[in-house]
Amino acid sequence: TQLLEQSPQFLSIQEGENLTVYCNSSSVFSSLQWYRQEPGEGPVLLVTVVTGGEVKKLKRLTFQFGDARKDSSLHITAAQPGDTGLYLCAGGETSGSRLTFGEGTQLTVNP
Amino acid sequence: DAGITQSPRHKVTETGTPVTLRCHQTENHRYMYWYRQDPGHGLRLIHYSYGVKDTDKGEVSDGYSVSRSKTEDFLLTLESATSSQTSVYFCATWTVNEQFFGPGTRLTVL
Repeated sequence: TQLLEQSPQFLSIQEGENLTVYCNSSSVFSSLQWYRQEPGEGPVLLVTVVTGGEVKKLKRLTFQFGDARKDSSLHITAAQPGDTGLYLCAGGETSGSRLTFGEGTQLTVNP
Repeated sequence: DAGITQSPRHKVTETGTPVTLRCHQTENHRYMYWYRQDPGHGLRLIHYSYGVKDTDKGEVSDGYSVSRSKTEDFLLTLESATSSQTSVYFCATWTVNEQFFGPGTRLTVL
């Protein structure tokens, strides 16, 4: 069974601060995805990384896939209250049709 | 948005009763999934389907069954609900490296 561990589980910061969320596994994944979930809704895809060492930027969010494709990080610069939510990483197998999800990081950005 | 709806959105039931949750999609996606979400566990796969009448078990399939008689509908059945099945259930579809999720069903088993 492939497992993904996210850290920290909870993070509460002030508006304007930077933060990093980590997603680690002992298994190699073909792809790594990050989703964001708001209360009462389903997760929504933020990004997919597929190449070891790949870095993708989405406005103030920077995603990195580890060289060995076992880990990933999400860095948010100058966090805003609108970034509040549950961030989930998910590792994909070769076909990409089946995902293994981490436990999630609950981020709260206080104004 | 993949046009995924789930029904009911909320349900309270008693231990031992059968429960069926419905997922409906309008995008003609081949793959569909049922997950449960619990604090500290993230999303765990219950069952998935890779086509009409083609289904397979996920990591937490005990106590659950599924059926898919049409591309657009994927049903999850709890044959005899238990309190450990109290959870939020999400349906999802997959296409081109992305899963699209429904709004979820909150199920409480008393």
